[in-house]
Amino acid sequence: DTAVSQTPKYLVTQMGNDKSIKCEQNLGHDTMYWYKQDSKKFLKIMFSYNNKELIINETVPNRFSPKSPDKAHLNLHINSLELGDSAVYFCASSPDPGTLRYFGPGTRLTVT
Amino acid sequence: GENVEQHPSTLSVQEGDSAVIKCTYSDSASNYFPWYKQELGKRPQLIIDIRSNVGEKKDQRIAVTLNKTAKHFSLHITETQPEDSAVYFCAARTGSARQLTFGSGTQLTVLP
Repeated sequence: DTAVSQTPKYLVTQMGNDKSIKCEQNLGHDTMYWYKQDSKKFLKIMFSYNNKELIINETVPNRFSPKSPDKAHLNLHINSLELGDSAVYFCASSPDPGTLRYFGPGTRLTVT
Repeated sequence: GENVEQHPSTLSVQEGDSAVIKCTYSDSASNYFPWYKQELGKRPQLIIDIRSNVGEKKDQRIAVTLNKTAKHFSLHITETQPEDSAVYFCAARTGSARQLTFGSGTQLTVLP
């Protein structure tokens, strides 16, 4: 069974568009994250939710807006996409804040 | 905030040899140190972790050691195999933080 799933796996879009990435976990974990991995492979946290409450909001442009409708889902909406947003976005979940147990498969976003 | 430095950035070993990757952290209050393996095109996977009340932890061919005095921790892989080839990330969490700080990654190549 898939522990953390993301859709879509690939996303190719033009500058200025708005897009969303969805994430779901079936582990019953309380904490979910969004990470961005750039071309140099560096992993940077963007957001973290614990029990649907936003607990970490790193220095991310406000074009990025997370939404957690329930404990099992954490979606990421991006407005006015820019070339620099091209990266792999990973959702992740864990039983508690400050640990990171499972990553999702990633969404490769390419902005042209 | 926490700062994690990881060395080396690339490492090549012959199959069967051992590999060691080292990370140093800045915050003496850090208390949790996980390691992740990311194969090409895949998600990062947690392979081993250690807490600050333990000096060493082993799981088959992999081990992690922690030196709190020197503020560094290392990943040791023995009897390396080609399938160990991947990017390895260390991370650290301070006691009060609810997020991990990642190292910059080490590309390990095991030569057959």
